[in-house]
Amino acid sequence: AQSVTQLGSHVSVSEGALVLLRCNYSSSVPPYLFWYVQYPNQGLQLLLKYTTGATLVKGINGFEAEFKKSETSFHLTKPSAHMSDAAEYFCAVTRPGGGNKLTFGTGTQLKVEL
Amino acid sequence: KAGVTQTPRYLIKTRGQQVTLSCSPISGHRSVSWYQQTPGQGLQFLFEYFSETQRNKGNFPGRFSGRQFSNSRSEMNVSTLELGDSALYLCASSKRESTGELFFGEGSRLTVL
Repeated sequence: AQSVTQLGSHVSVSEGALVLLRCNYSSSVPPYLFWYVQYPNQGLQLLLKYTTGATLVKGINGFEAEFKKSETSFHLTKPSAHMSDAAEYFCAVTRPGGGNKLTFGTGTQLKVEL
Repeated sequence: KAGVTQTPRYLIKTRGQQVTLSCSPISGHRSVSWYQQTPGQGLQFLFEYFSETQRNKGNFPGRFSGRQFSNSRSEMNVSTLELGDSALYLCASSKRESTGELFFGEGSRLTVL
């Protein structure tokens, strides 16, 4: 079974500051990991994914995440926050061959302040 | 290219009734998944269909069912509604199985009174 823990249900940063959203996973097999973003009253949108290969993955809107097996982490970062980044972010995990059945974390609400 | 379309967007039902939610995937996508989103339980997987076959099922009671048609459109049904079924039901489509790359619709918000 897989699980995901997102540390911090709410994160607040200033515009232009570094964004760091934390995600730790648990999986008995090498996982596939994802970050999704949800804007108010909308569905989720894929930001980036890690399956195999390069451990630093780049996504849309300037976000990136690094898969660290030794730390079982997949933290999401962005060098400079923008007001439009304010949303809820979800980390998710699945196992290879597990279909499209994702296990999501509880989400982190990102607030960006002027 | 049209996105994932879910209907209805909002609906109100009373306990004991049943509801059917519809999802039209992105053209060419053969995998459709359903998720329930609530403030208390977060996002929980309901089921996944690929080429009209259920591939995965989450831990929900038998009151929750779904199906997929030959044109990849999908429906989910909840019978004997309970107050706890109030949630945002999200449909997601994908080109293939086992990619995790899901394209979500905006959801159907169900309120059970």
